[in-house]
Amino acid sequence: GAGVSQSPSNKVTEKGKDVELRCDPISGHTALYWYRQRLGQGLEFLIYFQGNSAPDKSGLPSDRFSAERTGESVSTLTIQRTQQEDSAVYLCASSLGRGSSYEQYFGPGTRLTVT
Amino acid sequence: AQSVTQLDSQVPVFEEAPVELRCNYSSSVSVYLFWYVQYPNQGLQLLLKYLSGSTLVESINGFEAEFNKSQTSFHLRKPSVHISDTAEYFCAVSDPLSSGSARQLTFGSGTQLTVLP
Repeated sequence: GAGVSQSPSNKVTEKGKDVELRCDPISGHTALYWYRQRLGQGLEFLIYFQGNSAPDKSGLPSDRFSAERTGESVSTLTIQRTQQEDSAVYLCASSLGRGSSYEQYFGPGTRLTVT
Repeated sequence: AQSVTQLDSQVPVFEEAPVELRCNYSSSVSVYLFWYVQYPNQGLQLLLKYLSGSTLVESINGFEAEFNKSQTSFHLRKPSVHISDTAEYFCAVSDPLSSGSARQLTFGSGTQLTVLP
């Protein structure tokens, strides 16, 4: 498929465990974003990657959260020592980046439940 | 920092009735505005966007939104809704004057539109 894919679709983990979420952006999209959507709330920006530039990590809620991206391909969001308040849907989006119409294409999300 | 307010969290409406989903944003500078839709068990999809030019923008499925700079609003409307329009709708804003990394989207909390038969 040509869309943004994310895995796993659902993840249940115990408090204190680490989790890793994966995002495969649309081929050719240089920009990649991670957002978090808590129940009944809008999306919160977490982190942004643009090409090989240093990522914008200004939205990460704590140092337990980190993300990596290899070039302009796959990205992983890691949450260490998960807490119950980390339960949310984590959404990844990609766009053509600079000079684009700024349309972000979203993946289906990973629903994380911390018990 | 920008913020987006969607005043109605739930909007029930009967089929074929008109609907308006409200969105207000806080920004003293130019903005790009978006409406995204999330159908049940699906990802977010772009419904329509305002970047510049005509303040009235339309989607292919009959929705329209009007950018009102003086009222800092971007309300979404449809004259006659269908059952299939049942979904959650998110308004979002970004700052076109910001450099690269700040072109994140700031989202409202969403409005659940439920179309009743």
